[in-house]
Amino acid sequence: ETGVTQTPRHLVMGMTNKKSLKCEQHLGHNAMYWYKQSAKKPLELMFVYSLEERVENNSVPSRFSPECPNSSHLFLHLHTLQPEDSALYLCASSQVASAEQYFGPGTRLTVT
Amino acid sequence: QKEVEQDPGPLSVPEGAIVSLNCTYSNSAFQYFMWYRQYSRKGPELLMYTYSSGNKEDGRFTAQVDKSSKYISLFIRDSQPSDSATYLCAMSGRNYGGATNKLIFGTGTLLAVQP
Repeated sequence: ETGVTQTPRHLVMGMTNKKSLKCEQHLGHNAMYWYKQSAKKPLELMFVYSLEERVENNSVPSRFSPECPNSSHLFLHLHTLQPEDSALYLCASSQVASAEQYFGPGTRLTVT
Repeated sequence: QKEVEQDPGPLSVPEGAIVSLNCTYSNSAFQYFMWYRQYSRKGPELLMYTYSSGNKEDGRFTAQVDKSSKYISLFIRDSQPSDSATYLCAMSGRNYGGATNKLIFGTGTLLAVQP
C-alpha cells in the first residue's frame, strides 16, 4: 500500500448505528486530519492530530469521535448520526512543519 | 466575506486550450498556497505547492501567487481531456488559528476539457 488509504470506501448507516472509519498513511508523516466534503461547499476541517495529540477540534458535534492510536493510523467513530452528516469524509496526512497535505480517497457516507 | 473565493464554474474548454483557474483571498497572513486536483469520486491530489509570491512551473502546469493583490492562479497549457476534474485552491499561514497546518479551501472549479 502506498500513500493514504481509507476504509471502507462506501458506508450506508442508519441513524442509530455505530460505525468507524479507518485511515492509514504510509508516508512517514506525523500529523493527520479528518475533513468533511459536502456538495458545493469547501472542505471542512474536523480534527487535527499532531504527534498523536489532538490539536484542533473544529466545533464538531460529539457524535463524531476521533482516535489516533499511533502516527500511522486515524479513526473516526460515528454514532447516532443525522442525514445531514451524509458526505465524503477525507483523511489527510502531512509532516507537522509542512503545509503540504496528502489525501486519501475518502469514505462516501450515507446516513438513512 | 469568505476567506477564499473561487468561481465554481463549470468551465468548459476545447482540447489544447490554455486554462486559467483563479482564487482570491482576504487574509494577508496566508503564506502557503496549494492547488489540488480532484477527480469524480476520488480524494484531492496535491498538484502544485508554492510559498509566498512568485511562479512555479511543473510540466504543463504553472502556479502564480500575487500576494499584493491576494490572488493566485493555476494555468494549464495544452489541456487534455484527462485534465477534466475539480480544481481546489487551498492556503495556509503558519500558526494560523493556533494550528500550524490549517488549510483553508476554496469551493473548487469544475473543469471539462472537450476532445
